[in-house]
Amino acid sequence: KAGVTQTPRYLIKTRGQQVTLSCSPISGHRSVSWYQQTPGQGLQFLFEYFSETQRNKGNFPGRFSGRQFSNSRSEMNVSTLELGDSALYLCASSLGAEFTGELFFGEGSRLTVL
Amino acid sequence: GQSLEQPSEVTAVEGAIVQINCTYQTSGFYGLSWYQQHDGGAPTFLSYNALDGLEETGRFSSFLSRSDSYGYLLLQELQMKDSASYFCAVRDRETDKLIFGTGTRLQVFP
Repeated sequence: KAGVTQTPRYLIKTRGQQVTLSCSPISGHRSVSWYQQTPGQGLQFLFEYFSETQRNKGNFPGRFSGRQFSNSRSEMNVSTLELGDSALYLCASSLGAEFTGELFFGEGSRLTVL
Repeated sequence: GQSLEQPSEVTAVEGAIVQINCTYQTSGFYGLSWYQQHDGGAPTFLSYNALDGLEETGRFSSFLSRSDSYGYLLLQELQMKDSASYFCAVRDRETDKLIFGTGTRLQVFP
């Protein structure tokens, strides 16, 4: 079965713009989480969604937001982009709400802010 | 605070055994996971220790000791394709957030 799909894979934006990233989880998976990966900070948790509800949120400013749709697909949005937002944004899915230790990651969306 | 510390880099030769440590400071967590990430690729799940002790999956084994706040990933019969970054991760009981370790870059030489 298909894995986690993230679009777009690469994008370039300028400061002040906004961006929307999309994630389609593995079929049947209802939990989706987002992470920011940078060389200096490693993998940082952004949000987690289950059945269209945000279960948890990381320590990021309000410019970072997300949502999950009824088909479990998720989007995250970053407004008023800053240079420091340049990163690989990874989405991961898992079957249900209960934590099993295993997440399935997408290839990520690499955002460059100029 | 919550943090997971790993060595930044480890080198080894093909056929050797290498251990990647993960030491943590968190009040409580559900278990310890390990992920592998090749350059430009997605992290892929390797193992999960819900309880203390050793879990073995082929050439990879993972160990957890909650009393020592310590875990490790053991890679045996190293192959060139094992060159990648390895991350430990826990889900914190208090915040329910997933925390990743600082990551270890493994380089395997012929």
